[in-house]
Amino acid sequence: DAKTTQPPSMDCAEGRAANLPCNHSTISGNEYVYWYRQIHSQGPQYIIHGLKNNETNEMASLIITEDRKSSTLILPHATLRDTAVYYCIAPPPNAGGTSYGKLTFGQGTILTVHP
Amino acid sequence: NAGVTQTPKFRVLKTGQSMTLLCAQDMNHEYMYWYRQDPGMGLRLIHYSVGEGTTAKGEVPDGYNVSRLKKQNFLLGLESAAPSQTSVYFCASSYSIRVKNTEAFFGQGTRLTVV
Repeated sequence: DAKTTQPPSMDCAEGRAANLPCNHSTISGNEYVYWYRQIHSQGPQYIIHGLKNNETNEMASLIITEDRKSSTLILPHATLRDTAVYYCIAPPPNAGGTSYGKLTFGQGTILTVHP
Repeated sequence: NAGVTQTPKFRVLKTGQSMTLLCAQDMNHEYMYWYRQDPGMGLRLIHYSVGEGTTAKGEVPDGYNVSRLKKQNFLLGLESAAPSQTSVYFCASSYSIRVKNTEAFFGQGTRLTVV
């Protein structure tokens, strides 16, 4: 897996955008960037993933720099329920180009959304 | 859909006892995984499987065995429990050949205490 680096914690006001950065300077050309989050004591939840292009879904947006060495997860209107640990992961692809899902979790970023 | 279901949700074992944790998924996923999470830490991969009848070691396999006799089930066994195995165990699955989605889906966890 490409090593990823995230800030240990961040704060965000409710209703504002939360921008969570991730550095992955050793990522290879065919490694996707995945984001998961873990709300207190629950199993991790998939948020979004991308390779080169920016991606958006109903939960978040993912902005990947052109050199692919870093990315930013954006929660456009954070709510109290978005308080969680957010993990940025770049798992190795298998021979078919997809990910085994053999995810290596670091410490992640603890996002606290406050009123 | 139930997704990923783990059984049991809680268990207390005495040192030296054995037990089996069951993980079941109904998404026809090829890959399944067992992780453990200790307080304040990220998830660590114990064992994983890339298909029925196959298993492989992850980051922390010692003291655990696994079996995947049926595609939908992945069993994690502790032959002789030790206090160091007190943890929260998460099962996950990913990758449907038909749908070709690659994100992992996690169960809600099994909280195991070894006394």
